[in-house]
Amino acid sequence: NAGVTQTPKFRVLKTGQSMTLLCAQDMNHEYMYWYRQDPGMGLRLIHYSVGEGTTAKGEVPDGYNVSRLKKQNFLLGLESAAPSQTSVYFCASSPSTRDRMGSGNTIYFGEGSWLTVV
Amino acid sequence: AQSVTQLDSQVPVFEEAPVELRCNYSSSVSVYLFWYVQYPNQGLQLLLKYLSGSTLVKGINGFEAEFNKSQTSFHLRKPSVHISDTAEYFCAVSSSWGGYNKLIFGAGTRLAVHP
Repeated sequence: NAGVTQTPKFRVLKTGQSMTLLCAQDMNHEYMYWYRQDPGMGLRLIHYSVGEGTTAKGEVPDGYNVSRLKKQNFLLGLESAAPSQTSVYFCASSPSTRDRMGSGNTIYFGEGSWLTVV
Repeated sequence: AQSVTQLDSQVPVFEEAPVELRCNYSSSVSVYLFWYVQYPNQGLQLLLKYLSGSTLVKGINGFEAEFNKSQTSFHLRKPSVHISDTAEYFCAVSSSWGGYNKLIFGAGTRLAVHP
């Protein structure tokens, strides 16, 4: 009953370092997403993927890269970490909008990854 | 463009009192509406959603929400809250614009239930 799993859960980085957050889902969902959560701003979409091998930019993509080499995995990379990237990162997945409920499908979230850049 | 406004950033309430968390949205197309809950240090969990049909939607943990198209609102209510309801609540709208489940979140309302 794993759902959406994110690793690592906590990480402290120095400015300029790089790292990768891993997301895995076991629900055979087509769509996957990376969000960041900052106080008073809700969740904002960084990048998303509508299928294996495809990715696209969301609202706040700068400073991040993503890859979806396998359907069940969605990786978020920080190329050169900056203090402004200190945030909580959430991965999510959902069925395709071609599925029965279209964009009414529920989006399922992981438990979050707390990243601090010093 | 779509947007979501949660009118209260924090709502303090005593245990067993009723509560209403307010959400207004703007959209030029048909939308689906969601409420998610986030307990401390956890991810987001779906409380309820409105897709179509009855405007009163019942969710988990005794919560319900009413869709009001004329007022573009989707307020969340619970008649009697418990300490365990202390959490942050997010209202969101979704559409298929852009070819994916585009989910726009409000800034969140922190519900604090006091004994």
